[in-house]
Amino acid sequence: AQSVTQLDSQVPVFEEAPVELRCNYSSSVSVYLFWYVQYPNQGLQLLLKYLSGSTLVESINGFEAEFNKSQTSFHLRKPSVHISDTAEYFCAVSTIQGAQKLVFGQGTRLTINP
Amino acid sequence: GAGVSQSPSNKVTEKGKDVELRCDPISGHTALYWYRQRLGQGLEFLIYFQGNSAPDKSGLPSDRFSAERTGESVSTLTIQRTQQEDSAVYLCASSESSGRTSDTQYFGPGTRLTVL
Repeated sequence: AQSVTQLDSQVPVFEEAPVELRCNYSSSVSVYLFWYVQYPNQGLQLLLKYLSGSTLVESINGFEAEFNKSQTSFHLRKPSVHISDTAEYFCAVSTIQGAQKLVFGQGTRLTINP
Repeated sequence: GAGVSQSPSNKVTEKGKDVELRCDPISGHTALYWYRQRLGQGLEFLIYFQGNSAPDKSGLPSDRFSAERTGESVSTLTIQRTQQEDSAVYLCASSESSGRTSDTQYFGPGTRLTVL
């Protein structure tokens, strides 16, 4: 079975400051890794995903995440956040073969203060 | 194009009543998923439909929960004899999937169920 741990339930930061949202996973088989974002009053949407190849993946709005197999981590980072990044962020995994489902972490609420 | 839609957006019911939640996936998406999000927790997988294959029901928490899907269209999640612990946001997602676990899932806005 797979599990995902997001160590921080809430992360407050000031606008234009850097941020890192941590995600660790546990799995006995290879996985794909995802970050989903839920903006206030909106549904979940994909932010970025790692499938294979380069371990650093980027989103269109400046976020990046790096797959670290040895540390079983997939932390999300942004060098300078904006008010519009205020949202809840969910890390998730799916197995490369087998059950077609996502296993989610508990989410991290990112709050940007002016 | 239109995204995944769910109805109702909110449902308040009394303990012991049955409820039906509806999901309309994105047109052409063959895969459909139901998840549950309890307050302060992550999403829990409930059930997965892929085309005409038998659904993966491994996430359904009890036999009070069931789901149906008509072809590659609408799905309904039914909860019988609701309990207070069933209170949660129920999310539906769809993907183009032809069996690839890497496919992006597109989520609906959810149905917030409150059992009194």
